[in-house]
Amino acid sequence: DAGVIQSPRHEVTEMGQEVTLRCKPISGHDYLFWYRQTMMRGLELLIYFNNNVPIDDSGMPEDRFSAKMPNASFSTLKIQPSEPRDSAVYFCASSSRLAGQETQYFGPGTRLLVL
Amino acid sequence: DAKTTQPNSMESNEEEPVHLPCNHSTISGTDYIHWYRQLPSQGPEYVIHGLTSNVNNRMASLAIAEDRKSSTLILHRATLRDAAVYYCILSSNTGKLIFGQGTTLQVKP
Repeated sequence: DAGVIQSPRHEVTEMGQEVTLRCKPISGHDYLFWYRQTMMRGLELLIYFNNNVPIDDSGMPEDRFSAKMPNASFSTLKIQPSEPRDSAVYFCASSSRLAGQETQYFGPGTRLLVL
Repeated sequence: DAKTTQPNSMESNEEEPVHLPCNHSTISGTDYIHWYRQLPSQGPEYVIHGLTSNVNNRMASLAIAEDRKSSTLILHRATLRDAAVYYCILSSNTGKLIFGQGTTLQVKP
C-alpha cells in the first residue's frame, strides 16, 4: 500500500482565499483523522471520521473550517476564508479500529502558508 | 484523557542505548501506552505500544512500571536517524491520540 496520501504537499495562498486539503487513507481503514501542527500549539486533533461519518469535531477551530468524507477513499479539509493564523502543517491519518491499541498511520502533511 | 509528562529534550551518543522516560500518574486501567516519533519534516510514525507487560519490537522496547504510572522507551543502539521528537501518549477506548510536546532526542556522532 502507498500509505496515507495527502495533496498538495505545499500550499501558499493569500488571506481570504479558500483552501482545500485532500487526503486518501489506507485502503481498508475505516477511521480517518485530521490534525494540525504549529510551533505554538503542537499537534492538535481537529476532527475524525468513522465509516465516512464525522464522529468528533470538537477540535475544529471555528466555522471557517469544514471537513467532509464523501467516500471511504477520500476526505477534504476546507478553510474558507483563510487567515494568516491558519498557517500550519496539516496531517491526515487513518487506522483500522478505534479501540485504544490501534496504530494510526500518518500522511506526509500539507504545509500551508497564508499570506 | 489522562496526561503524560516527558522531559523536553535529551541527548545521546550514537550507538549507545537511550532511555526515554514518561510519567502518567493518572493512567486508568483501560489506557494503552503508545509511543510515536516524528522525524524532521515528516508525519508522526508509530513506534510501540503496551498495556501492562513490557513489549519489544524491531524498533524499540517499552518498559512499563508495575503500577503503570510510568514507562520508558528504550532504543537499544541510537543512530543518527533516531533523532526525532518522541511522544508518549495514553489512548483509552475512544482511540483518540492526544499529543503533548514530546521529548526532542538529539543523537551525537
